[in-house]
Amino acid sequence: AQSVTQLDSQVPVFEEAPVELRCNYSSSVSVYLFWYVQYPNQGLQLLLKYLSGSTLVKGINGFEAEFNKSQTSFHLRKPSVHISDTAEYFCAVSEGGSYIPTFGRGTSLIVHP
Amino acid sequence: DAGVIQSPRHEVTEMGQEVTLRCKPISGHNSLFWYRQTMMRGLELLIYFNNNVPIDDSGMPEDRFSAKMPNASFSTLKIQPSEPRDSAVYFCASSPNVLNTEAFFGQGTRLTVV
Repeated sequence: AQSVTQLDSQVPVFEEAPVELRCNYSSSVSVYLFWYVQYPNQGLQLLLKYLSGSTLVKGINGFEAEFNKSQTSFHLRKPSVHISDTAEYFCAVSEGGSYIPTFGRGTSLIVHP
Repeated sequence: DAGVIQSPRHEVTEMGQEVTLRCKPISGHNSLFWYRQTMMRGLELLIYFNNNVPIDDSGMPEDRFSAKMPNASFSTLKIQPSEPRDSAVYFCASSPNVLNTEAFFGQGTRLTVV
């Protein structure tokens, strides 16, 4: 069975600083990987996804993530964050081409001025 | 498109009462998911439908929970009787089909059982 571990429950950072949100997964088969963002009192919105091909995936709002199969990781990065990036970020994995994702517990990104 | 529409946005009810949460998926989407989000357990998949048929309800916590999808444009999640531990945010999501690679989420229903 698939599982996702988000290593940090909360990441505080100053505005314009770079940030990395960590995600590791476990699965015995090929996977699809996703990052979603949840703003306060909103539903989840897809940031980016890895299906196949290039391991570096670019998403909306300047975010990118890199799939590392050997380390079973899919860390999310942004070179310069903005106050508006303050939100909850969820990593998710689905196995074998079937989109029934398992979500991590989420990482709260807090951007300080 | 208006996106996935959930109602009500907030629900406060007394323990023992029946609660019905509603969801209208995006038109043309064939798959529908119900999730529950709590601080303790994070985001849990309760049930998903494909072409209005329940495919996997193994995430439904117990018999007090039931979900239906009578047609392609409407689904309900019912809790009867409700208990304080059911307090959570319930999300509905839809995708064009079960092999699609993105789910579109509604804004959620915040349920408080007192």
